[in-house]
Amino acid sequence: EVQLVESGGGLIQPGGSLRLSCAASGFTVSSHYMTWVRQAPGKGLEWVSVMYSGGDTYYADSVQGRFTISRDNSKSTLYLQLSSLRAEDTAVYYCARGRAVGTIGWALDLWGQGTLVTVSS
Amino acid sequence: DIQMTQSPSSLSASVGDRVTITCRASQTITTYLNWYQQKPGKAPKLLIYAASSLQGGVPSRFSGSGSGTDFTLTISSLQPEDFATYYCQENYSALTFGPGTKVEIK
Repeated sequence: EVQLVESGGGLIQPGGSLRLSCAASGFTVSSHYMTWVRQAPGKGLEWVSVMYSGGDTYYADSVQGRFTISRDNSKSTLYLQLSSLRAEDTAVYYCARGRAVGTIGWALDLWGQGTLVTVSS
Repeated sequence: DIQMTQSPSSLSASVGDRVTITCRASQTITTYLNWYQQKPGKAPKLLIYAASSLQGGVPSRFSGSGSGTDFTLTISSLQPEDFATYYCQENYSALTFGPGTKVEIK
């Protein structure tokens, strides 16, 4: 079955660090555009980070310098290292697979179930 | 950065109604526009990509149109399982989402 399963969320104090994992089955993350999207409680969706199949990475301004996306090809797992966490980082974090659309576009056609990160003292 | 807006922010409709949601980009994104459906406690689901292409497995009552800066998602005959929040997303530069439109039961 083709799926994504996130893990690693939890309660963390402000300033702390956490690593989220996204395990892929049925396909390899190294061959795909992979993203992290988050959703604060009761709020909308916010793109966080992307890793292209070639390894290029990009981040939203709100997390630049604090979050790091990476992958382990042998485990077909995507990671998001969260550091210097703030209360406003509290959210459900989803990983999602991108599918190429047109010349430069992407659509997120497969999503995990999400993992909740709560930043609070 | 491209900003995305949606209208209305919420709407009430009955089963069988025709529902239209609009999405506007702050600059032209040609047809680099996706639509997602999200139900409470669940991950988003891709409905429409490239402004008007239906994702596999999505019912044909969903359709998308538009180009440039103005886009529309239409549900031709609302079904009970369609009550959810709908998000547009540009994929011309970053993957900016619109604020969402909540479709509620009237």
